[in-house]
Amino acid sequence: GAGVSQTPSNKVTEKGKYVELRCDPISGHTALYWYRQSLGQGPEFLIYFQGTGAADDSGLPNDRFFAVRPEGSVSTLKIQRTERGDSAVYLCASSLGKGETQYFGPGTRLLVL
Amino acid sequence: GENVEQHPSTLSVQEGDSAVIKCTYSDSASNYFPWYKQELGKRPQLIIDIRSNVGEKKDQRIAVTLNKTAKHFSLHITETQPEDSAVYFCAAVNNDMRFGAGTRLTVKP
Repeated sequence: GAGVSQTPSNKVTEKGKYVELRCDPISGHTALYWYRQSLGQGPEFLIYFQGTGAADDSGLPNDRFFAVRPEGSVSTLKIQRTERGDSAVYLCASSLGKGETQYFGPGTRLLVL
Repeated sequence: GENVEQHPSTLSVQEGDSAVIKCTYSDSASNYFPWYKQELGKRPQLIIDIRSNVGEKKDQRIAVTLNKTAKHFSLHITETQPEDSAVYFCAAVNNDMRFGAGTRLTVKP
């Protein structure tokens, strides 16, 4: 089916606000990943879901970041009390399973003013 | 955790020349090594990958080699074209995927 999709494509918010970023993986992909990419850097791992559960959340920078995948498909990355340093492109990827090829979405460009 | 180092950070070649990008990794349990190409403002796109039971893999002008003992792997692009210009990322996968910092390749016509 269609590739990984992410919404919104761009999000501008003010410092201290709450944001939600959505990822719709490729149909049938059980694994879903969130990454953060700052300008001139490689994607930085945040969290990995296998099905509905977070199998590895070791990359989340602090407790302001949280992600869910309640039905094992769509995932939402939630950022509370945003800070200017959270500005980056947030990429989502999905794969058939652990260790399989990951396919990326177009990303959400987050700007915190 | 896994640490991936990538060199060089920038690479400029003349059209038709070859380009080589090298990566090292730290976690001997990593068993899958993809390479992604990312054009400005676009998502990373997988161009080739290799698993730890294979030493070399080729796909037209692109090849990847893996040395498990030394924990390094390389991307080779032959007969480069201007459209090969992009940022290339290596990655190493065990439980999750860790990326190198990227190589900005410029192919001059």
